Amino acid sequence: AQKVTQAQTEISVVEKEDVTLDCVYETRDTTYYLFWYKQPPSGELVFLIRRNSFDEQNEISGRYSWNFQKSTSSFNFTITASQVVDSAVYFCALSEGSNYQLIWGAGTKLIIKP
Amino acid sequence: DTAVSQTPKYLVTQMGNDKSIKCEQNLGHDTMYWYKQDSKKFLKIMFSYNNKELIINETVPNRFSPKSPDKAHLNLHINSLELGDSAVYFCASSHTGVEAFFGQGTRLTVV
Repeated sequence: AQKVTQAQTEISVVEKEDVTLDCVYETRDTTYYLFWYKQPPSGELVFLIRRNSFDEQNEISGRYSWNFQKSTSSFNFTITASQVVDSAVYFCALSEGSNYQLIWGAGTKLIIKP
Repeated sequence: DTAVSQTPKYLVTQMGNDKSIKCEQNLGHDTMYWYKQDSKKFLKIMFSYNNKELIINETVPNRFSPKSPDKAHLNLHINSLELGDSAVYFCASSHTGVEAFFGQGTRLTVV
């Protein structure tokens, strides 16, 4: 069965600290996609990244980086030098092969204090 | 231009009423979705349409009925609203297997 676990319910750090959000997934498929979305206080869901199961290459985009490890079924998200504007709820999600739906983690609320 | 737009953004209504939420996407995507986000921020899919055909219909009360008049539109009609229907409803669209883009959400409050 598909499942996405974000064990960290809430994380609070001081601005400029680095922070890592954990995501562990379960799937029986060999073809699947992993996603991260951001939901700021304004409420919209913003796509951040997609990674397919055949591409374990880590990715960096500015202060954001993602570490995908199939061996541990993890797809972790790190924010370097956090800023107050990074405060949001972050969701990790999974979709399998030709399946059309996203299976969501419960989200991690990230609070960046000035 | 807004990629996925849903209206209204806020909807306050009394129990027992019938209401609709409209969604339109201009991205040329072949798949559209409705998701529900509860008060604890948990997201769950309700329906998915691919090329106007219903392909996912999760365990949702039959008071909820999606309608897809064409590939660019997926509306959600809710009959006999109940207090427990209060939530944020998100419309989204995607190409198959690719990231979904979401509307701004509709906050439904049933009183």
